[in-house]
Amino acid sequence: EAQVTQNPRYLITVTGKKLTVTCSQNMNHEYMSWYRQDPGLGLRQIYYSMNVEVTDKGDVPEGYKVSRKEKRNFPLILESPSPNQTSLYFCASSLNFFNSPLHFGNGTRLTVT
Amino acid sequence: GQQVMQIPQYQHVQEGEDFTTYCNSSTTLSNIQWYKQRPGGHPVFLIQLVKSGEVKKQKRLTFQFGEAKKNSSLHITATQTTDVGTYFCAPNTNAGKSTFGDGTTLTVKP
Repeated sequence: EAQVTQNPRYLITVTGKKLTVTCSQNMNHEYMSWYRQDPGLGLRQIYYSMNVEVTDKGDVPEGYKVSRKEKRNFPLILESPSPNQTSLYFCASSLNFFNSPLHFGNGTRLTVT
Repeated sequence: GQQVMQIPQYQHVQEGEDFTTYCNSSTTLSNIQWYKQRPGGHPVFLIQLVKSGEVKKQKRLTFQFGEAKKNSSLHITATQTTDVGTYFCAPNTNAGKSTFGDGTTLTVKP
């Protein structure tokens, strides 16, 4: 089944403890992206990747890192999480950026205390 | 950066009434996509509009792209309870960077 898989679905952590949210797609998509969703603010892009080894900042990249060493994986890394990073995170992928639909993972709800 | 305004933020309708959400951009768009997110779910792609003045229909849903390619709308005829959720527009202009409108949350009273 074609899908985008995010893990974990729920995560509660403490300030400053490094964490990684994994994202994997099995559709051979070139484009991958991370978003955070907060009430009243819609979906805001954190980082994106046009292809392997190519990543770039979205609108809210501060406090996050990503890597794209393989085509299928695009992990989101929070080196030192803070409470303002408490949010719902979505990973998405598409065949290419320009005219293909985004396929979203099921989301990761992160709470930083 | 690109500014996208989506209105209204919330819409409450009686089942059977129509619903429309609007997406307005400050810049000319290459294309625009629409997504639906059910409560507790993830966004799901509905449609993509590319051409100036384009109109596409999916059963009770009608999508329009403005002549100037700066605005778009989604209209639902005779809403049903299955239509509840948040509808997002996602315009594309710059390579790689994707922007979503803030969404319109639709509730339908049976």
